[in-house]
Amino acid sequence: QQQVKQSPQSLIVQKGGISIINCAYENTAFDYFPWYQQFPGKGPALLIAIRPDVSEKKEGRFTISFNKSAKQFSLHIMDSQPGDSATYFCAASMMRKLQFGAGTQVVVTP
Amino acid sequence: SAVISQKPSRDICQRGTSLTIQCQVDSQVTMMFWYRQQPGQSLTLIATANQGSEATYESGFVIDKFPISRPNLTFSTLTVSNMSPEDSSIYLCSVASGTGSEAFFGQGTRLTVV
Repeated sequence: QQQVKQSPQSLIVQKGGISIINCAYENTAFDYFPWYQQFPGKGPALLIAIRPDVSEKKEGRFTISFNKSAKQFSLHIMDSQPGDSATYFCAASMMRKLQFGAGTQVVVTP
Repeated sequence: SAVISQKPSRDICQRGTSLTIQCQVDSQVTMMFWYRQQPGQSLTLIATANQGSEATYESGFVIDKFPISRPNLTFSTLTVSNMSPEDSSIYLCSVASGTGSEAFFGQGTRLTVV
């Protein structure tokens, strides 16, 4: 049973547009919510992360919004660039063990 | 962040054989984990590699199939035993930093079983 649900499975966005990926979780014991970016043939790279006592975190063009009551969090990629084309995974951590979402393949068109 | 090196980066193996994957970290880390990423899929935690004691396996994974060693705070191995084509996956080593919750991944080992 997947503990972290991620959507959409894929999305296409034009250069300069906003990419939005959503995740939902059930287990309130999760205490850390990272996002990873993965390029083909590479391991996942930590992009940005948030704790449940914070509602929003921004790092450059990447923003996490977190809704603790709804048990949902999302990644916003502002001003999307072709170099952002990758697979993005949300995750939820408990005792440093990660449960991953299914992944979202993002394609940014020129 | 820690620098994580995995060997081999890829391999093609015959069914019924075993492959040992090495994970070397450039600094001492508290926790090391092994994940599997099946083709086109997400990542699933196999086990936590415990230094000085037996690994802790997640549901669906057993020691006989995936024996793990962790002789010190910078090194671990994962063996995929008696392989079948269903074991074809990317196997990833991950480490957690000593103070925070951040987890970092190696480049992975792409295994193909024929």
